[in-house]
Amino acid sequence: DAGVTQSPTHLIKTRGQQVTLRCSPKSGHDTVSWYQQALGQGPQFIFQYYEEEERQRGNFPDRFSGHQFPNYSSELNVNALLLGDSALYLCASTLSGTGAQPQHFGDGTRLSIL
Amino acid sequence: AQSVTQLDSQVPVFEEAPVELRCNYSSSVSVYLFWYVQYPNQGLQLLLKYLSGSTLVKGINGFEAEFNKSQTSFHLRKPSVHISDTAEYFCAVSKGGTSYGKLTFGQGTILTVHP
Repeated sequence: DAGVTQSPTHLIKTRGQQVTLRCSPKSGHDTVSWYQQALGQGPQFIFQYYEEEERQRGNFPDRFSGHQFPNYSSELNVNALLLGDSALYLCASTLSGTGAQPQHFGDGTRLSIL
Repeated sequence: AQSVTQLDSQVPVFEEAPVELRCNYSSSVSVYLFWYVQYPNQGLQLLLKYLSGSTLVKGINGFEAEFNKSQTSFHLRKPSVHISDTAEYFCAVSKGGTSYGKLTFGQGTILTVHP
């Protein structure tokens, strides 16, 4: 039973570029959330996707956008990259509508902005 | 809005000693509480969760936590730690309903177990 998988594992970009990160949820899960974890800090919620729509959003600018596909996989897109976007980006999945099911996390994509 | 405070940024301890990692939260509504562990270059692994019922929650790897509503705390404990417990630990909260799944994390506590 595959867990949450993310790609790529590492990525280096320069300021002003755009990036797309990908996530496949754990088998049987239909809800995907994205988090940004800056060095030395706890993860911060970016947004959550369910039924191919953004259901919740954290305090992140519109440069951060996402998408969920019919197979429940998801993408995180970041435009006009800033140095401060350097972080570990974590994807988490869960099954909606089943009460308090915990999030399952992938190993993340390490994004470095030069 | 919820917030989480982990009272210790770093906790050094010797092998086989007991450890407590402290977590306080604030919220105007009932919340679900979680502890996650993060090993270097990895994602987060769930240690345990409090949803309702018994305030003493047992998790994996011998960890347990106690929910104290009056003190709004959810401290993590282990009676005897191992070298392999060295990692960063995060306390997190979420609300129920349509807000479920949005986790608010603390800043993390780095646990270092010395031989």
